[in-house]
Amino acid sequence: EAGVAQSPRYKIIEKRQSVAFWCNPISGHATLYWYQQILGQGPKLLIQFQNNGVVDDSQLPKDRFSAERLKGVDSTLKIQPAKLEDSAVYLCASSLLTSGGTDTQYFGPGTRLTVL
Amino acid sequence: GNSVTQMEGPVTLSEEAFLTINCTYTATGYPSLFWYVQYPGEGLQLLLKATKADDKGSNKGFEATYRKETTSFHLEKGSVQVSDSAVYFCALGISSGSARQLTFGSGTQLTVLP
Repeated sequence: EAGVAQSPRYKIIEKRQSVAFWCNPISGHATLYWYQQILGQGPKLLIQFQNNGVVDDSQLPKDRFSAERLKGVDSTLKIQPAKLEDSAVYLCASSLLTSGGTDTQYFGPGTRLTVL
Repeated sequence: GNSVTQMEGPVTLSEEAFLTINCTYTATGYPSLFWYVQYPGEGLQLLLKATKADDKGSNKGFEATYRKETTSFHLEKGSVQVSDSAVYFCALGISSGSARQLTFGSGTQLTVLP
């Protein structure tokens, strides 16, 4: 079974530029997540999609971050304009939604963003 | 709010040594508990999980028991190998309808020397 795919793996941009990340979840997984992992910290949830609808975006900085999952499969996360503090690894995860809430999230390899 | 506190690293052990990485949590409701591992250059992988009090999760020789009375989920392994060198993350999961809030600790770097 193919895992969660992400691209690019690395990205270096200057502050105030824009950047986009792409994620393809595990086939059949209706739930997709984007996380931000700053160096030395655990991942922090940015947004959760269920199919193509947003379930939770309470921690997404909406003034500069946006995400979409138009067809309920692939997703893109965009930052515009980027700030120095956005330097981090952006992780995508997917899961099957279980009624008991015991879902396991499967993570992609991440995109390492460096903002100069 | 929900939070996870992990033993600070880095931890350096010799091969075949006993490993414990402490994890305690604060949560509203009834969380599921997870240990994820991140090998160098790779993404997070689920190592084990427990979904209710007194459950024991186990995988690849690692074990952790969900202790509600001490709000803990310590990770243990009886004999570590060089290949266990990685960053280990404790996490708690809270569900509300279709929302899944996974809160991670800050991670513990483990290095195992031959």
